[in-house]
Amino acid sequence: KNEVEQSPQNLTAQEGEFITINCSYSVGISALHWLQQHPGGGIVSLFMLSSGKKKHGRLIATINIQEKHSSLHITASHPRDSAVYICAVGGLRTSGSRLTFGEGTQLTVNP
Amino acid sequence: DGGITQSPKYLFRKEGQNVTLSCEQNLNHDAMYWYRQDPGQGLRLIYYSQIVNDFQKGDIAEGYSVSREKKESFPLTVTSAQKNPTAFYLCASSFDGTGGYEQYFGPGTRLTVT
Repeated sequence: KNEVEQSPQNLTAQEGEFITINCSYSVGISALHWLQQHPGGGIVSLFMLSSGKKKHGRLIATINIQEKHSSLHITASHPRDSAVYICAVGGLRTSGSRLTFGEGTQLTVNP
Repeated sequence: DGGITQSPKYLFRKEGQNVTLSCEQNLNHDAMYWYRQDPGQGLRLIYYSQIVNDFQKGDIAEGYSVSREKKESFPLTVTSAQKNPTAFYLCASSFDGTGGYEQYFGPGTRLTVT
């Protein structure tokens, strides 16, 4: 079992739909990261959070430390949101900034 | 503009040759990382450096080597000892190595070895 599990692996939506991507992890963490990878391969950091909820534009990320679970929500989805979304967790402070990555969720938003 | 650059974007090599991938950042970050991405798998850590002149092995360091002589630069050499070198390689940096900061990623280098 991977330390970081994402679901679903693939997601197809129609423009305008509300999207949720889930991430579960099995280790104690200091922070959880949501990343976006576009078809060209470049990766952008969307959120880093250790508790509660963060919002940026149409993106919302939540984390429940007790349940070891995080969700990434996209409201009013758009074709330009099509990308791979990756969850990554940073271990306890003693392991520094090393991240463990999920396998990613391929999102396709159709017009 | 501040950021991370990797060059080249695509690299082709013959089996048995060493190849060096470039990674440069002008973000004044102390920590830098090299990851490898294979289809259907999550990113895996090859090497990381938390400060100049110091680096540590990641999860899949065999067949790779790095140096960190300057704060801005963290080149990765893929040696002929790496059994499956064809992959997408990503470099990243963060303000420091404590885990309290986001990682910023370069555009990646796609290496093909035949």
